[in-house]
Amino acid sequence: SSELTQDPDVSVALGQTVRITCQGDSLRSYYAGWYQQKPGQAPILVIFNKDMRPSGIPDRFSGSTSGNTASLTITGAQAEDEADYYCNSRDSSGKYLLFGGGTKLTVL
Amino acid sequence: QVQMQESGPGLVKPSGTLSLTCTVSGVSISSSSNWWTWVRQPPGKGLEWIGEIYQGTDTTYSPSLQSRVIISMDKSKNHFSLRLTSVTAADTAVYYCARWGDYETLDSWGQGTLVTVSS
Repeated sequence: SSELTQDPDVSVALGQTVRITCQGDSLRSYYAGWYQQKPGQAPILVIFNKDMRPSGIPDRFSGSTSGNTASLTITGAQAEDEADYYCNSRDSSGKYLLFGGGTKLTVL
Repeated sequence: QVQMQESGPGLVKPSGTLSLTCTVSGVSISSSSNWWTWVRQPPGKGLEWIGEIYQGTDTTYSPSLQSRVIISMDKSKNHFSLRLTSVTAADTAVYYCARWGDYETLDSWGQGTLVTVSS
């Protein structure tokens, strides 16, 4: 498969839990990475290896995978979590990199 | 700690060639077991993978750009480069270099550089 699909817009009330999903056939073979991007900044990695967080990423960020769907969950969303979130993985052949179209998260 | 920095002209004329360099510090790119990657982002749009290089020998390119792109590595300067030919306004974007790390993700990124294609 050559696509990863994300919902374009998601909103969450301050302090509530939100899940952002990424669908694609390649996710049956490869874990998704999740990236946070704020305006004018480079993306930063927030989840790798399905559910691991790089140093410095708050533990309110978590990841999971089921079948062809990867999920990024923010438990107790904060105002500073408002950003664009992208998933990526290798494609099913393992040769190319794919990005999802991105999800704009609004914290209300 | 890996640090990456893009450099190159911010303005390229239509039909010309876009050339960027990514200087890496903190690791030897020629001996590391990582793929070194270029990603771009048109204004207001999502991320697009351009291609990658491994130890200066192996390259893989996005099928949509393959006919116009070359990624190379200068081991002596610890940097890798992007060349994109026959550019149009559609190639206007922020260009990022990044490392495809040990955990199969892009774990280090440059700050990005905006390249505008305009006469």
